[in-house]
Amino acid sequence: NAGVTQTPKFRVLKTGQSMTLLCAQDMNHEYMYWYRQDPGMGLRLIHYSVGEGTTAKGEVPDGYNVSRLKKQNFLLGLESAAPSQTSVYFCASSYLPGGSTDTQYFGPGTRLTVL
Amino acid sequence: DAKTTQPPSMDCAEGRAANLPCNHSTISGNEYVYWYRQIHSQGPQYIIHGLKNNETNEMASLIITEDRKSSTLILPHATLRDTAVYYCIVRPLLNSGNTPLVFGKGTRLSVIA
Repeated sequence: NAGVTQTPKFRVLKTGQSMTLLCAQDMNHEYMYWYRQDPGMGLRLIHYSVGEGTTAKGEVPDGYNVSRLKKQNFLLGLESAAPSQTSVYFCASSYLPGGSTDTQYFGPGTRLTVL
Repeated sequence: DAKTTQPPSMDCAEGRAANLPCNHSTISGNEYVYWYRQIHSQGPQYIIHGLKNNETNEMASLIITEDRKSSTLILPHATLRDTAVYYCIVRPLLNSGNTPLVFGKGTRLSVIA
């Protein structure tokens, strides 16, 4: 049981390049989330999903797109990276069907630098 | 906006109990108190949650005041590996996935040898 995993762990992009961050969970969770964390700050929600095939905007969605084609995977895309998107990105998942809590479990993070 | 107030930093001697306070004076009747921590460069880690009764698990104890306006997370025997930022969060137990965790600045706990 690996929990929540994220790929890649590190990435350096040039301004304007695109990339996709992959989040995978093996806990059969319904909900998945993408957060970003800037130095010295708390986490901010980018997008989230309450089930396969559904996505919704969070607090800071601009410049990002997401997809949830499979229940276990949640992809975060940057179509045209900007230096302001330099950050650490965390994925989380929660909620077993029929469960009583949506406690979130986090992945190890992806450190992205945009030059 | 975070609905909780925590001290920005605390120190604790290794082996002693670490008591981390949190004020949540506007907590609603259906909201639970959650605690997470984030060890440097890692993802946040769930610690414990509670409604009004005190709770204990293998990681910590949670003491909630009778009026529910404040709580204390207790790490009974702090170790160097407990050095982290601790976040106190209030939210409903189950929120259909559409209310994310709101992380404030948390308390930076430094465990000193």
